[in-house]
Amino acid sequence: GENVEQHPSTLSVQEGDSAVIKCTYSDSASNYFPWYKQELGKGPQLIIDIRSNVGEKKDQRIAVTLNKTAKHFSLHITETQPEDSAVYFCAASGGNTGFQKLVFGTGTRLLVSP
Amino acid sequence: EAGVVQSPRYKIIEKKQPVAFWCNPISGHNTLYWYLQNLGQGPELLIRYENEEAVDDSQLPKDRFSAERLKGVDSTLKIQPAELGDSAVYLCASSFNKNEQFFGPGTRLTVL
Repeated sequence: GENVEQHPSTLSVQEGDSAVIKCTYSDSASNYFPWYKQELGKGPQLIIDIRSNVGEKKDQRIAVTLNKTAKHFSLHITETQPEDSAVYFCAASGGNTGFQKLVFGTGTRLLVSP
Repeated sequence: EAGVVQSPRYKIIEKKQPVAFWCNPISGHNTLYWYLQNLGQGPELLIRYENEEAVDDSQLPKDRFSAERLKGVDSTLKIQPAELGDSAVYLCASSFNKNEQFFGPGTRLTVL
């Protein structure tokens, strides 16, 4: 089955800096890669996703890149703000299960200091 | 639009006791998921429903866990009997026609 690895486990940046979180996946048939943000005491919230027919997607300060050959994808947050502090999870799904069986990474705790 | 609703938000029980969690998905969402999230880990799928049918329950420990989604709307996840290792956050999510999954706030279970 699919296996997703995520790095780093913790990331501390100064406000205004950029943050990058990286994930690798094992199943070459996976074709949907969402990123979730989870704040303390809340459920994960989708912030951006990418499908395998594109290599990059951007939404304001966040962007995701996908390298299907290397089987890795990354989340980029620019001009970080204290409210970006949270745990971020990458996930992958696809192949025979379609978009529905998400396999999550272990999460990255992002801390943005003012 | 109301999000996914879960109750209770917190539950503390002693081992060997039964416990049940309830989920009300977003109106109109035909797919419902139950996930287990251990501390410091990502969510892991327990079971997925398409309407009232459980289409993927391969990760559900069927000796003690059970779930139902009567009428294809609300769902209940039950553990009987609970063990110490069941302490975790139980997340419910829903989606419409295989699109984005929306998560509820979760139920934090502590087994003493």
